[in-house]
Amino acid sequence: QSVLTQPPSASGTPGQRVTISCSGSSSNIGNNYVFWYQQLPGTAPKLLIYKNNQRPSGVPDRFSGSKSGTSASLAISGLRSEDEADYYCAAWDDSLSGLGFGGGTQLTVL
Amino acid sequence: QVQLVQSGAEVKNPGSSVKVSCKASGGTFNSYSISWVRQAPGQGLEWMGRIIPILGIPNYAQKFQGTLTITADKSTSTAYMELRSLTSDDTATYYCARDLGMTTGSLGWFDPWGQGTLVTVS
Repeated sequence: QSVLTQPPSASGTPGQRVTISCSGSSSNIGNNYVFWYQQLPGTAPKLLIYKNNQRPSGVPDRFSGSKSGTSASLAISGLRSEDEADYYCAAWDDSLSGLGFGGGTQLTVL
Repeated sequence: QVQLVQSGAEVKNPGSSVKVSCKASGGTFNSYSISWVRQAPGQGLEWMGRIIPILGIPNYAQKFQGTLTITADKSTSTAYMELRSLTSDDTATYYCARDLGMTTGSLGWFDPWGQGTLVTVS
C-alpha cells in the first residue's frame, strides 16, 4: 500500500496532452513539497519536477507540475514516444517521518 | 557534476546480510543527505532511510527499523546500506540518491541517483 495514490496506467497518442494525478493527505502533500520522477525501462529514476512545479535544467518545458491542497499532478504536453516510462510522485510524510512514494504510473504512447 | 557509483550485484542466502556502497564521484556529499530507495522486480519505489554524512545521523523508515543500518564515511564520500536477516522479499534493486532538500518539507529532492545494485536473495 503506497503512501501516495497514482493511477497505475495512462496513455496518449503522439502530440497529445496527458496528466497523471497523485493524491495524498495533509501529512504529506498538504504540508510538503511534491517531486516527480521518470523511470525509463531498465534505468534509475530521474528527477523530473521538484518543489511542486520546478523543472531541473535539461528537462523539457513539455513537462509541468502543479499542486492543490492534498493532490498534485504532472502534465506532459506534446507527447512523444520517448516519454513512454513509469512516473512516480513523492513527498515527505510528517506522520510517518519518512518519504512516501506513489505506486507509479506506467505511461504508454499509442 | 557529482555522480553516485554503487557497488556490484550480490547474491545472498536467506538469513544473511548484504552491504551496498555508494561513492560520490566528481565531488562530495557536502551538506546533503543520502537516501536509500529500493525497487522489487516489477514493483514501485520504496524509501528505506537516509543519513546526513557530515553529522552521521541516520533515520529509517518504520518498516526497516532493526534490520537496516545506514552509515557514511566522510573521508571517502561513501555511504553504505546494510540490510540484515534477508528474505526473498528483499530481492530488489537498491538505489542511493543525494537529497538536495535542506528542510523536512523539501526532502525527497533526489538528484543524482546511483545506477542501482541488484540484490538477489535465494
